[in-house]
Amino acid sequence: SQQGEEDPQALSIQEGENATMNCSYKTSINNLQWYRQNSGRGLVHLILIRSNEREKHSGRLRVTLDTSKKSSSLLITASRAADTASYFCATALWADKLIFGTGTRLQVFP
Amino acid sequence: NAGVTQTPKFQVLKTGQSMTLQCAQDMNHNSMYWYRQDPGMGLRLIYYSASEGTTDKGEVPNGYNVSRLNKREFSLRLESAAPSQTSVYFCASSDPPADTQYFGPGTRLTVL
Repeated sequence: SQQGEEDPQALSIQEGENATMNCSYKTSINNLQWYRQNSGRGLVHLILIRSNEREKHSGRLRVTLDTSKKSSSLLITASRAADTASYFCATALWADKLIFGTGTRLQVFP
Repeated sequence: NAGVTQTPKFQVLKTGQSMTLQCAQDMNHNSMYWYRQDPGMGLRLIYYSASEGTTDKGEVPNGYNVSRLNKREFSLRLESAAPSQTSVYFCASSDPPADTQYFGPGTRLTVL
C-alpha cells in the first residue's frame, strides 16, 4: 500500500471557499512535499515542510505537519477556478527518493 | 532555461517492441528519477540516479532499464514492451536528493 494517502480522494467547492486536503503516512520522514498536477501535465512543486517544522505558508497555501500523528494537511484559501487540479503529497523516507500518494482531485466551480 | 525535457511526448508500440524514453535537465542537478503514473495509482518510482554514474531500482523496475548518460541525461528503456506498461512516464530531477523535484511534461505510452 502507499506510504502517503490523501484524503479526500475528490473535493468539489465553489470559488472563494477554502479547500483542505489531508495526507497520512506510515513511517518516519525527512520531509513532506505537496505537488499540483493540472490535467495532462507534469507535477509542479508547491511546498516542502521538513520533519522539524510544524507549519509553513506560501501565498494562499498553508501546510501543517504533525509527526506524532504522521499526517499533514494542505489548506488553499480563497480558492479560484485555476486551482482545479490534482494534489499529491510526497514523503521523503530516506535521503534519496520520494514516495507519492494517490492524490486528491480538486474541482473549483466559478 | 528549459528545465526538464522529455521525448517523445506520445508513443504507440506493439507488444514486444522496444523503445527508449529520453530525459534531459539543464539545472545541473545531481539526482534524476523516472516515474510512471497510472489512473488512481499516483506516481510510482521505476528507477532513479542519485548522482552521475549510479542508478538504483525503485518500486516497479521490472521490464525497464536505465542509463545515466551524463549529468544532464537519464534514459529509460523498454526492451520488450507489454500492455501492462501502458502509462504516462515522467522524468524528474532534484538537488539535493529527495528535495524539491522538477518534472518534465511526460510521455504518454500505449502498448497494443
